[in-house]
Amino acid sequence: EVQLLDSGGGLVQPGGSLRLSCEASGFTFSSRAMNWVRQAPGKGLEWVSVICGDNDDTYYADSVRGRFTISRDKSKNTLYLQMNSLRAEDTALYYCARGRRGSCYSDFDFWGQGTLVTVSS
Amino acid sequence: DIVMTQSPESLAVSLGERATINCKSSQSVLYSSNNLNYLTWYQQKPGQPPKLLIYWASTRESGVPDRFSGSGSGTDFTLTISSLQAEDVAVYYCQQHYDIPLTFGGGTKVEIK
Repeated sequence: EVQLLDSGGGLVQPGGSLRLSCEASGFTFSSRAMNWVRQAPGKGLEWVSVICGDNDDTYYADSVRGRFTISRDKSKNTLYLQMNSLRAEDTALYYCARGRRGSCYSDFDFWGQGTLVTVSS
Repeated sequence: DIVMTQSPESLAVSLGERATINCKSSQSVLYSSNNLNYLTWYQQKPGQPPKLLIYWASTRESGVPDRFSGSGSGTDFTLTISSLQAEDVAVYYCQQHYDIPLTFGGGTKVEIK
């Protein structure tokens, strides 16, 4: 059974940092693209970042490039999102989402339950 | 960036009636080398993560009821629920994965009339 367990969210002050984690099980973690997608309260879905399954290349939305870093530890089957210089507009529920394919150009066939990040003073 | 525009923003449909949701991309998401549209539909119920319904614009994900269907090509796509059930109340999103950044439509909220 595929499982994605998101964690690491919380309340942080503007300018602060957080590291989100997504523990994966039930599939070959290293072969799939893995993504972070966020949803601000009451709003739609926004793709944040991807790490490719075929070559571990990484890509980011313009809104987070230079502040967020996606990575994965294949020995722990865990995806990470290091979030620095956080802003109020980063407040959202962050989902870990598995790519349906190994390519970064993929849709998402399985989602975690999400972890809430609140940026506020 | 490819902009995805959904319409309507919301619709109310009677039980058993048809619901139609439109999605338009700002450029074609049809990949000519394999003739596939890189367009996916998701359903999100309150308090839940999104669920993949339809990929390649018209291929139903395993386990998705056949009242859900997708159509279209290039820049114009449609999700149809042929006979709305109470459990279909949700927000529906389209997404393109033809280019990065991957982008979603703004969502369509489906309610019971």
